[in-house]
Amino acid sequence: NAGVTQTPKFQVLKTGQSMTLQCAQDMNHEYMSWYRQDPGMGLRLIHYSVGAGITDQGEVPNGYNVSRSTTEDFPLRLLSAAPSQTSVYFCASRLFQTGTGTYEQYFGPGTRLTVT
Amino acid sequence: GQQVMQIPQYQHVQEGEDFTTYCNSSTTLSNIQWYKQRPGGHPVFLIQLVKSGEVKKQKRLTFQFGEAKKNSSLHITATQTTDVGTYFCAGFRFAGNQFYFGTGTSLTVIP
Repeated sequence: NAGVTQTPKFQVLKTGQSMTLQCAQDMNHEYMSWYRQDPGMGLRLIHYSVGAGITDQGEVPNGYNVSRSTTEDFPLRLLSAAPSQTSVYFCASRLFQTGTGTYEQYFGPGTRLTVT
Repeated sequence: GQQVMQIPQYQHVQEGEDFTTYCNSSTTLSNIQWYKQRPGGHPVFLIQLVKSGEVKKQKRLTFQFGEAKKNSSLHITATQTTDVGTYFCAGFRFAGNQFYFGTGTSLTVIP
């Protein structure tokens, strides 16, 4: 049971380049999400998915695309990288909420992206 | 904009001193979770609070959820060097179907 895995761990892009950050989980979690973490800003939600074929925008979706074709995988695409997208990106997964509570989120190790 | 505020942003304490971080939301939360992130690491779940006025303890850590479900706190008694890291609260609203993370409190423990 690997939990949540992310690749790559580090990436340097030039402005205008595109790339895909990979995320996979083996816990059969319905809910997956992408966050970015910037100094002094906490974690901000980019996109999320409540199941295969269903995605929705979070707080800061501009410049990013996602798709969810399987339960296990939730890739994040940067369409045209900008310096403002320099950040640490975390993928997370959890069981979907039911009743009055939610479930703990499991985070991947993160991808440190620099856009020059 | 930021919907969950967390203070302080940084805290330096001598080993053995107590530590508290506070979260405040502009709206009522369905529940709140707390996470710890070690330097260079990823957030790790600590606990979830659901009920108004709820208090939970984990060894030296005490978590509280306010009566109005708009604020929460984490208190660490007698800090140790292993407590070093950034502590985040994450408020959840069913209406928005997402967590709103606080800005985090970075704790440094001086031996």
